[in-house]
Amino acid sequence: DGGITQSPKYLFRKEGQNVTLSCEQNLNHDAMYWYRQDPGQGLRLIYYSQIVNDFQKGDIAEGYSVSREKKESFPLTVTSAQKNPTAFYLCASSIATGSYYEQYFGPGTRLTVT
Amino acid sequence: AQTVTQSQPEMSVQEAETVTLSCTYDTSESDYYLFWYKQPPSRQMILVIRQEAYKQQNATENRFSVNFQKAAKSFSLKISDSQLGDAAMYFCAYRGTNAGKSTFGDGTTLTVKP
Repeated sequence: DGGITQSPKYLFRKEGQNVTLSCEQNLNHDAMYWYRQDPGQGLRLIYYSQIVNDFQKGDIAEGYSVSREKKESFPLTVTSAQKNPTAFYLCASSIATGSYYEQYFGPGTRLTVT
Repeated sequence: AQTVTQSQPEMSVQEAETVTLSCTYDTSESDYYLFWYKQPPSRQMILVIRQEAYKQQNATENRFSVNFQKAAKSFSLKISDSQLGDAAMYFCAYRGTNAGKSTFGDGTTLTVKP
C-alpha cells in the first residue's frame, strides 16, 4: 500500500539536543512538506520541497532544517535553536505543488522536549 | 498574505442531523483551491472535499457538500446525516497560485451525539 510513514510516533528529547524526524513516502510524489501543529491551532508550514535537492522555507522555519537527497525522503531536524520545539509534527506530500493537488499526510510525530 | 478563519472552535450535532461548519478566507488572488480536511482522534489528516475557485458549482462528496461564495470569500462545509465517525477536528485550507504554501484555519472540533 502506498502512503507516508513518519517515525517514531512519540519522541522525547532533552533541551539543547538536536533531533531528526523521519518522513518517507512511496507515492512517487515530487512535493513534500513539514507542518507543525500546536493545541488549538491549525497547521503551520515549516519547510517544503518541490523536487529533490531543492527546498524552501515556510512560515516558521527558524530553528529547523531539512534535506531532500532522495525523492521519497524528507527528514526534518529540530535544532536547539528552536525555542518551543514541543509540538505535533506532520509530514505531507503531493503529486506536485500545483494548487489543484491535495496533500496526503503521514500519521505524525509527537515531539516532547524537556 | 492569505488568512483562513474558522470562527467556530467547537460544534456539536445529533446523530443523523445536519451541521454546517464555517470558513472564511482573505485573498487577492482570483485562482485558487479550497479544501476541507478531517483530523479524527487518531490525528491522521484526511481530505474531505475540494473546491476550485473558478467553478461556480458547489462540490459534493456523498454526505459532504460545500457552500462556496467567492464574492463573500466564504467556504462552509455541510455534513448531512451525521454519523458517530464524523466526530473529528475539521480544517479549512486555502491553496493559491503560489501553491507551495497551503494556509490552514485553526480548526473546528465536531462532536456527534448519539
